[in-house]
Amino acid sequence: DQQVKQNSPSLSVQEGRISILNCDYTNSMFDYFLWYKKYPAEGPTFLISISSIKDKNEDGRFTVFLNKSAKHLSLHIVPSQPGDSAVYFCAAPGGTGANNLFFGTGTRLTVIP
Amino acid sequence: DAGITQSPRHKVTETGTPVTLRCHQTENHRYMYWYRQDPGHGLRLIHYSYGVKDTDKGEVSDGYSVSRSKTEDFLLTLESATSSQTSVYFCAIRNNWGNTGELFFGEGSRLTVL
Repeated sequence: DQQVKQNSPSLSVQEGRISILNCDYTNSMFDYFLWYKKYPAEGPTFLISISSIKDKNEDGRFTVFLNKSAKHLSLHIVPSQPGDSAVYFCAAPGGTGANNLFFGTGTRLTVIP
Repeated sequence: DAGITQSPRHKVTETGTPVTLRCHQTENHRYMYWYRQDPGHGLRLIHYSYGVKDTDKGEVSDGYSVSRSKTEDFLLTLESATSSQTSVYFCAIRNNWGNTGELFFGEGSRLTVL
């Protein structure tokens, strides 16, 4: 049962435009969310996070928005650059023990020059 | 970059053979994890460790075992590999406890079971 869902497997955007990647979750107990970026043949790397007490967190060209009532978060990249082409995973901590991260299935972003 | 090394990076093996993947860290982090990444599933936790000799199961642990005899090494073993275990395996580490800590991932080990 997927607790974190990314319903768009791929997204193509022109360079300079905005990229919006979406993520939905089912567990209302999640109180923190993370976005990871993954290039081919590399491990995922942390990109940006947001606490559930906030509705927005911004870091340079990257902004994450959280809508708790809709159990939805989105990652905005403005302006998009060809180097942003990667797979993006949203994740949320949960579970007992060592605080596992539940990952979505990922969205492959392609930024077209 | 977090000091995480996975070996081997690529392996092809036959059904029924044992396979061990190694994760080595130089960060002295307490928590270590093994994930697998498959199309349509994202990353799923196999096993994790919260200290030397302290390990526990994740959500997809069947067919896998782990060992951690030293802080720096976390081994993932497939006792008898099956084709369903063809995947990319990622090791991750974390130092702090609590929900706000991020995981640092290794570069992955691609395993093909024929």
